Amino acid sequence: NAGVTQTPKFQVLKTGQSMTLQCAQDMNHEYMSWYRQDPGMGLRLIHYSVGAGITDQGEVPNGYNVSRSTTEDFPLRLLSAAPSQTSVYFCASSYGGGNPGTQYFGPGTRLLVL
Amino acid sequence: AQKVTQAQTEISVVEKEDVTLDCVYETRDTTYYLFWYKQPPSGELVFLIRRNSFDEQNEISGRYSWNFQKSTSSFNFTITASQVVDSAVYFCALSEAVTSGSRLTFGEGTQLTVNP
Repeated sequence: NAGVTQTPKFQVLKTGQSMTLQCAQDMNHEYMSWYRQDPGMGLRLIHYSVGAGITDQGEVPNGYNVSRSTTEDFPLRLLSAAPSQTSVYFCASSYGGGNPGTQYFGPGTRLLVL
Repeated sequence: AQKVTQAQTEISVVEKEDVTLDCVYETRDTTYYLFWYKQPPSGELVFLIRRNSFDEQNEISGRYSWNFQKSTSSFNFTITASQVVDSAVYFCALSEAVTSGSRLTFGEGTQLTVNP
C-alpha cells in the first residue's frame, strides 16, 4: 500500500492563479481531510469529507474548494491564489464508523504564492 | 470549542536526558480522542499514539511513555534517555466524538532538540 499520496511536492504560484492539490489514498478510508501548517500555528483544518459525495468546512475554508467523487481521491482547489495561502498542505485519511480511526498523513505539498 | 495547548515552544536537552512534553486540552465532550504526532526535519507527520477518553491507563512503548490525566485535562509525553534522532516537532491533537472523527485540533507543537 502506498498509503496517502500527495502531488505536487512543491509548487510556486503567482497571485491570482488557480491550482489543484491532489490527494489519494489506497486504504479504503472513509474520512479524508486537508490541513495547512503555518509556522507557530500547528495544523489547521481546511475541509474534510466523511465519505464520497460528502464534504464540509473546517476551521479555515475560505479560498479553497473540495469535492469527493470517489473514496480514494480528495483534491483541494485554490480558486485564486493569495500570498496568505503560502503554507504546507497536508492531506490525511482514516477509517470512519463508530470508532474514529487514527488519521494518517500524506507527505505534504509546499506551496509558495508570490 | 475544543482547544489544545502546548505551552513549551522549544525544548533543548542533551542526549540521554529524560524530557517531558506537556499537552493540555479543552473539550465539552465526554467522549474524545487524544493523539501525539512526530514531525521530523524531513517534514512528514508520524503517528505515535491514540488514546480515548475512557482509558486513563498510562502507556509505555520503548523509550516513550504517555501520562493521561482527565482530572487536569493533560496528556503528557515523556521520552526517556533521549537520542539525537528524537529531535523533531511534536504535536498533540484532539478529536471529539464519533462524528468528528475526521477533524483534529492540533496544538502549536513543541520543537525538541536533542544535542549530542
